[in-house]
Amino acid sequence: GAGVSQSPSNKVTEKGKDVELRCDPISGHTALYWYRQSLGQGLEFLIYFQGNSAPDKSGLPSDRFSAERTGGSVSTLTIQRTQQEDSAVYLCASSLPGGSSTDTQYFGPGTRLTVL
Amino acid sequence: QQQVKQSPQSLIVQKGGISIINCAYENTAFDYFPWYQQFPGKGPALLIAIRPDVSEKKEGRFTISFNKSAKQFSLHIMDSQPGDSATYFCAAGKAGYQKVTFGIGTKLQVIP
Repeated sequence: GAGVSQSPSNKVTEKGKDVELRCDPISGHTALYWYRQSLGQGLEFLIYFQGNSAPDKSGLPSDRFSAERTGGSVSTLTIQRTQQEDSAVYLCASSLPGGSSTDTQYFGPGTRLTVL
Repeated sequence: QQQVKQSPQSLIVQKGGISIINCAYENTAFDYFPWYQQFPGKGPALLIAIRPDVSEKKEGRFTISFNKSAKQFSLHIMDSQPGDSATYFCAAGKAGYQKVTFGIGTKLQVIP
């Protein structure tokens, strides 16, 4: 079956521009996560959606970052006024609604963002 | 605050050797410890996981060793192969809480 898909796979933008990154989770997965992967920083949690509950935004690094999930499926991560330090790979993952850390997270291939 | 500390950040092992990656955690509420494997250009994928009620779990050439008193766990890759070359992440989670906390990752290179 189809896995988690992300688009675009690569995005080059100029400092100060806004970008939108898209994630299509596995069908039936109500939990969705966004992570940022930077060199030497591992997987940095950004935001978590679970069904109709209020998202956990505790990992968003600044108010330039926001995310939404429409219809409980597709999610969009938006970065406003991009900075060079935003350059990273942005990963999306989804999991079944078991509500536990033991639910396996299935990751997409990521979007590599480069801010010039 | 780094809740899961992973070392080393890079590791070079000869083919046939044993690769060992170590992780330590601080939060005693953690009760689930997965390892993820990431190949270049791909997202991480679950490799193996352990609960603290056992001290070891083995799946093929991959073994997790868990030391609850020391709050440490490690991944051992026996008979390492060039195809094992990837980045490995340890993680920790706690009951009733869906998020997991990832370590910084270890880039493993297995040379022929």
